[in-house]
Amino acid sequence: ELKVEQNPLFLSMQEGKNYTIYCNYSTTSDRLYWYRQDPGKSLESLFVLLSNGAVKQEGRLMASLDTKARLSTLHITAAVHDLSATYFCAVDFGNEKLTFGTGTRLTIIP
Amino acid sequence: GAGVSQSPRYKVAKRGQDVALRCDPISGHVSLFWYQQALGQGPEFLTYFQNEAQLDKSGLPSDRFFAERPEGSVSTLKIQRTQQEDSAVYLCASSLGVGMTQETQYFGPGTRLLVL
Repeated sequence: ELKVEQNPLFLSMQEGKNYTIYCNYSTTSDRLYWYRQDPGKSLESLFVLLSNGAVKQEGRLMASLDTKARLSTLHITAAVHDLSATYFCAVDFGNEKLTFGTGTRLTIIP
Repeated sequence: GAGVSQSPRYKVAKRGQDVALRCDPISGHVSLFWYQQALGQGPEFLTYFQNEAQLDKSGLPSDRFFAERPEGSVSTLKIQRTQQEDSAVYLCASSLGVGMTQETQYFGPGTRLLVL
């Protein structure tokens, strides 16, 4: 079965702190995506990771991919309030469609 | 440039009614996807088109769901005899096409369907 699991499901962080969201998937893939979703809004593409060891950074967010461990991480550095959102990882298992994780609802507390 | 657009943004239907949801992909995008997102969940795949060809409809939950993309651009998702369990946000996404690198799927704003 093709599965994508994220943890934690909910995360409350203080402003200025660092944290990591984890995304595990069930079988081989080298195409992983991170999306952000604000309440009532659609999904915004954050990162595309296409090979083992890929690392991408944008502002306070950094994503990495380890295809051997079937693991991706989304690291948040010195969190600020406007990062509050739900973050999804999604995997293309070679059949073009995306299989999404359950999402991590991130709340940044002042 | 223009992104993916969907209409209507909100739809309230009585149980048993038929509904039609429209998606306008990004111009020139070959691939088009429909996803269903239940409240508090991640999107789940429904169906996929490459140009006008429907290549995968394995995610459609029942034969009440039907999708088409007759000219390889605009797509319509139709739900017949709606049931309460069909209430969800229906997301459309498009991408450049098979074989392109960094094939990001770009999502529309979604249609929020409520079946009473």
